[in-house]
Amino acid sequence: EAQVTQNPRYLITVTGKKLTVTCSQNMNHEYMSWYRQDPGLGLRQIYYSMNVEVTDKGDVPEGYKVSRKEKRNFPLILESPSPNQTSLYFCASSLSSYSNQPQHFGDGTRLSIL
Amino acid sequence: GIQVEQSPPDLILQEGANSTLRCNFSDSVNNLQWFHQNPWGQLINLFYIPSGTKQNGRLSATTVATERYSLLYISSSQTTDSGVYFCAVHFGNEKLTFGTGTRLTIIP
Repeated sequence: EAQVTQNPRYLITVTGKKLTVTCSQNMNHEYMSWYRQDPGLGLRQIYYSMNVEVTDKGDVPEGYKVSRKEKRNFPLILESPSPNQTSLYFCASSLSSYSNQPQHFGDGTRLSIL
Repeated sequence: GIQVEQSPPDLILQEGANSTLRCNFSDSVNNLQWFHQNPWGQLINLFYIPSGTKQNGRLSATTVATERYSLLYISSSQTTDSGVYFCAVHFGNEKLTFGTGTRLTIIP
């Protein structure tokens, strides 16, 4: 089944403790991205990747890192999480950023930073 | 960047009613998607519809690209239709831009 898989689905952690949210897609998609969703602010893009080893900042990249060493994986890294990064996070992928193809979203990861 | 507006922001309906949700966008797009965010937060892909009309069961969508709007129709609403409906648009290599959503509540 074609899908985008995020892990974990839920995480409660403390300020400053490094964490990684994994994202994997099995559709051989070139384009992957991360969004965060906050009440009143909608979904905002954090980082995106147009292909392996190519990443770029979205609208709200501060406090996050990403890597794209393989086509299928695009982990989101919070080196020193802070409470303002408490949010619902989504990973998405599509065939390419230029394609007339839909973006597919993972089920979301709900992060709480205490 | 592209502006995306959705209306109405909130809609409360009795089970069995029909509804129409609207999405207006400010510029040409080559990708328009409708999503349903369920109470568990999952974004469910409903339609990929940059133009034309599509139907899937009780749901259908129409996009008139030249007039920069899209409509999502839900017929014979069920309580499981409750949640927030988002449209999102994309042009060229720009990011997917989401509308502010319509919160739909279906009352039994």
